[in-house]
Amino acid sequence: DIQMTQSPSTLSASLGDRVTITCRASQRINSWLAWYQQKPGKAPKLLIYKASTLESGVPLRFSGSGSGTEFTLTISSLQPDDFATYYCQQYNSYCTFGQGTKLEIK
Amino acid sequence: QVQLQESGPGLVKPSQTLSLTCTVSGGSISSGGYYWSWIRQHPGKGLEWLGYIYYSGSTYYNPSLKSRLTISMDTSKNQFSLKLSSVTAADTAVYYCARGDSDSSPVPYFDYWGQGTLVTVSS
Repeated sequence: DIQMTQSPSTLSASLGDRVTITCRASQRINSWLAWYQQKPGKAPKLLIYKASTLESGVPLRFSGSGSGTEFTLTISSLQPDDFATYYCQQYNSYCTFGQGTKLEIK
Repeated sequence: QVQLQESGPGLVKPSQTLSLTCTVSGGSISSGGYYWSWIRQHPGKGLEWLGYIYYSGSTYYNPSLKSRLTISMDTSKNQFSLKLSSVTAADTAVYYCARGDSDSSPVPYFDYWGQGTLVTVSS
């Protein structure tokens, strides 16, 4: 199985901050990586797929990069709606998710 | 706009079979090359992919659950279903149905999700 490890597990930041979340795969997954945002009591929402392709309707302050085994999700200027938990998912072999990164208000 | 809605019992007894149905609106599950999927989330935990049924009817399961899991589809009702046998308390989770898309990848990412349904396994 391909293991996905996100860091940090928790991130405290302020409105307007630029934040980056990292996701590492235990083996190479090309660019088959997606990012999701989940708010309490809600289903995950797709933000980015194929490592860097923004899903339709997702604000441009979200961006993704990386290939191989290391990937990042960047939010350029935090907005109130962005405080949530973020998950990465590899879809190179089966589907596995990272353990999540909770983005909190500082 | 594709919408998915899970339905089924919220409480299942240990050793019994958990059965859920996902009703899809806004698109046909038998066309379009999509992967109709089930994903669960244990309380306060991360996401676990369970399996999917391709629009053609072929299935693909998480190896850790393969012996207990069956996913099927009913194209006449535009629904797909999950059956998980011999459940224990460890199967207590929020179960989501989702649409998977592949963009030429080996397996899918998930672009539309149901709201999720909590299933508790308890006597």
